[in-house]
Amino acid sequence: GENVEQHPSTLSVQEGDSAVIKCTYSDSASNYFPWYKQELGKRPQLIIDIRSNVGEKKDQRIAVTLNKTAKHFSLHITETQPEDSAVYFCAAPSGNTPLVFGKGTRLSVIA
Amino acid sequence: DAMVIQNPRYQVTQFGKPVTLSCSQTLNHNVMYWYQQKSSQAPKLLFHYYDKDFNNEADTPDNFQSRRPNTSFCFLDIRSPGLGDAAMYLCATSRDGAGYTDTQYFGPGTRLTVL
Repeated sequence: GENVEQHPSTLSVQEGDSAVIKCTYSDSASNYFPWYKQELGKRPQLIIDIRSNVGEKKDQRIAVTLNKTAKHFSLHITETQPEDSAVYFCAAPSGNTPLVFGKGTRLSVIA
Repeated sequence: DAMVIQNPRYQVTQFGKPVTLSCSQTLNHNVMYWYQQKSSQAPKLLFHYYDKDFNNEADTPDNFQSRRPNTSFCFLDIRSPGLGDAAMYLCATSRDGAGYTDTQYFGPGTRLTVL
């Protein structure tokens, strides 16, 4: 089964609104949770990550929260802009695999 | 500021004709990864090298092989490409002293077309 589940698969928001993407993972030993942004035809780029010794991390308009008990973590983007439109992937270690990616969320920010 | 370099960026091969993709890095990272990303899907790890130690994912087909002759270079060999192997192939690196908790940096990818 899936090791990392990501929801929603698509998300449309009005410019200036907030966007939230959620992921769950199955390996309780996982201790590293990155989020990648991928624009069409380009490489995935890390936008923020969190390690299991903290519950929340923020970088300007982007924040990630982690709940290890529930085994889920979320990406929050505030004051969205058209250039935030992209596919976002969460990822987590699983067993012997360093990173398993979620299926991705296609975010569209409507001006 | 190219740190993870992949060549070629676009590769066209014929069904069954062996092909090699290359990746190099200037970061002196211990770990190098190869991912396959099909259209509208997530990157999927094929295998990785932790220094000289090769780690294959259980569901990676035997058709895919890899070589890492030195710290800087890593190659992906597809012995007999099929139509289903058409994809973007992404190389990534991480420093990783232990536990795989360091950031993975991706190269720009090689888009493989199989005719």
